[in-house]
Amino acid sequence: NAGVTQTPKFQVLKTGQSMTLQCAQDMNHEYMSWYRQDPGMGLRLIHYSVGAGITDQGEVPNGYNVSRSTTEDFPLRLLSAAPSQTSVYFCASSKPGTGANTEAFFGQGTRLTVV
Amino acid sequence: DAKTTQPPSMDCAEGRAANLPCNHSTISGNEYVYWYRQIHSQGPQYIIHGLKNNETNEMASLIITEDRKSSTLILPHATLRDTAVYYCIVRVVFINTGTASKLTFGTGTRLQVTL
Repeated sequence: NAGVTQTPKFQVLKTGQSMTLQCAQDMNHEYMSWYRQDPGMGLRLIHYSVGAGITDQGEVPNGYNVSRSTTEDFPLRLLSAAPSQTSVYFCASSKPGTGANTEAFFGQGTRLTVV
Repeated sequence: DAKTTQPPSMDCAEGRAANLPCNHSTISGNEYVYWYRQIHSQGPQYIIHGLKNNETNEMASLIITEDRKSSTLILPHATLRDTAVYYCIVRVVFINTGTASKLTFGTGTRLQVTL
């Protein structure tokens, strides 16, 4: 089972560069989300999507764009990288509801350094 | 979503039960209690969730007080592999409204299991 796959695992960017972090899930989950985790902190929500074509902002959306053209993919775009965006990025997916099998599944993370 | 309070760290001897407390005194009637853990720097892993009844699965038990203002995650026989940061999350889950189930992470409890 692949689950949630994030690429790349590591990335170094120069200030001002742009890039896309990829996230794909093979569980046919409607919900997908992006989080960032800074050292010693919990995860903070960047953007989320409830289905193909629908996205919304989370707690820390500035500097990031998302789109959801398919159920499987939810890429995160950094428009102009800044050192403050150095972090570990996690993608998650889940089914809606509250019953069994509705928990969020997380990818293994992308470690991004902006110099 | 209601705010949660957890102790920053706890120790537990291997083979003993680990009891991780969480205070969520402002929880409302339609908010669930979820527990996730994060081992080293991996993506968070779902453990268990509940509304007001105690819950048990193959990983842990969740005890929610009658007034729902606090809960305890119990790992019945902790092993070294249970060393991780444990997050207690309280969230509203909307069913069939298109609203995403967002997770709000705090800083969690760092559980250290020792020999």
